[in-house]
Amino acid sequence: NAGVTQTPKFQVLKTGQSMTLQCAQDMNHEYMSWYRQDPGMGLRLIHYSVGAGITDQGEVPNGYNVSRSTTEDFPLRLLSAAPSQTSVYFCASRHQGTRGYTFGSGTRLTVV
Amino acid sequence: GIQVEQSPPDLILQEGANSTLRCNFSDSVNNLQWFHQNPWGQLINLFYIPSGTKQNGRLSATTVATERYSLLYISSSQTTDSGVYFCAVEGGSEKLVFGKGTKLTVNP
Repeated sequence: NAGVTQTPKFQVLKTGQSMTLQCAQDMNHEYMSWYRQDPGMGLRLIHYSVGAGITDQGEVPNGYNVSRSTTEDFPLRLLSAAPSQTSVYFCASRHQGTRGYTFGSGTRLTVV
Repeated sequence: GIQVEQSPPDLILQEGANSTLRCNFSDSVNNLQWFHQNPWGQLINLFYIPSGTKQNGRLSATTVATERYSLLYISSSQTTDSGVYFCAVEGGSEKLVFGKGTKLTVNP
């Protein structure tokens, strides 16, 4: 099925643990991005990529790393999880020639 | 960076009522989208509308780019319209900036 797939859907981490949130799209979209959603804050951009091998920071990049080795995948890495990173994470993509975004279903992350 | 303000923050309606949601933005944009986040958290793209007017069933949207605002109209609201409506814009950068949303509750 065409779309943006995020895994896992739920995750609980202990402070200091590391993990990778996966995001894959099969629409050949050049642009991919990661957002976090916190209560009352809307969605805030963490990192984005305009194509394979190119990444850039968004509004709230600290504590997160990304890489883009293929067009399809854009993983988000937490190197040392902190309680402040408890949030719902969304991945999104779009074709470079259009502006309509497609969002994944989200990953709910709790850091204890 | 570009600022996005949505109003009202909360809206409670009876089924069948009409409503207007507003989005103001602080700079010129080349992308404006309206999203609906349903009670299960899924974000659904409603409209891509950097300017002009579009309609899709009971929903329509208008963006007046020169005055830096957009309106989302919901007519004959249904309980399934409940959720949070987000406006998001892109200015000159490749960064989509979201407003804080309008939480809509439609009661039967």
